[in-house]
Amino acid sequence: GEDVEQSLFLSVREGDSSVINCTYTDSSSTYLYWYKQEPGAGLQLLTYIFSNMDMKQDQRLTVLLNKKDKHLSLRIADTQTGDSAIYFCAETPLNNNDMRFGAGTRLTVKP
Amino acid sequence: NAGVTQTPKFQVLKTGQSMTLQCAQDMNHNSMYWYRQDPGMGLRLIYYSASEGTTDKGEVPNGYNVSRLNKREFSLRLESAAPSQTSVYFCASSAGTSAITDTQYFGPGTRLTVL
Repeated sequence: GEDVEQSLFLSVREGDSSVINCTYTDSSSTYLYWYKQEPGAGLQLLTYIFSNMDMKQDQRLTVLLNKKDKHLSLRIADTQTGDSAIYFCAETPLNNNDMRFGAGTRLTVKP
Repeated sequence: NAGVTQTPKFQVLKTGQSMTLQCAQDMNHNSMYWYRQDPGMGLRLIYYSASEGTTDKGEVPNGYNVSRLNKREFSLRLESAAPSQTSVYFCASSAGTSAITDTQYFGPGTRLTVL
């Protein structure tokens, strides 16, 4: 079953902000990740957050974590056409090497 | 420095055929992983190897075998392919022995179709 859920599609205009949302079910999750997958390529780690943090900012990327609601979001400021890709949310439960991924959100950036 | 490489990139098999997917990393990483990616389901862990000589089952190991040939290489074998194994397979590696604290680096994937 799905431990990590994401909406499948998001479309924004170039220059706008994008917000990709993710919910997870395992309250013992320690690390939560955002990966980017471009067509024909493997996954690229964008950023990750420890579960004891609420927010992490890295240049145009902002990750927000609401641990109470088990909700993770990725905000991309000033979205560019090169940001068009599939974005995967992932979690790692405590004491487990099993990383669980969401189905991915396909972000389309229109000029 | 090529990172994580996978061969082949594409493969078509008939039901019942066998094949081995190859993965190699040149980052001197301890841990290696095999995932499958199916539409609408995200990635699921098949097997992982926390160090040379050890392998462990992940979420969906049935129908697969793995070999950690040496520190660099981790292969995935399908002994008798089934249409349900049509998927994109990703290999990954990480420096340490725990996915909890280590960043995983992914290969480009192998697209497998079983007819």
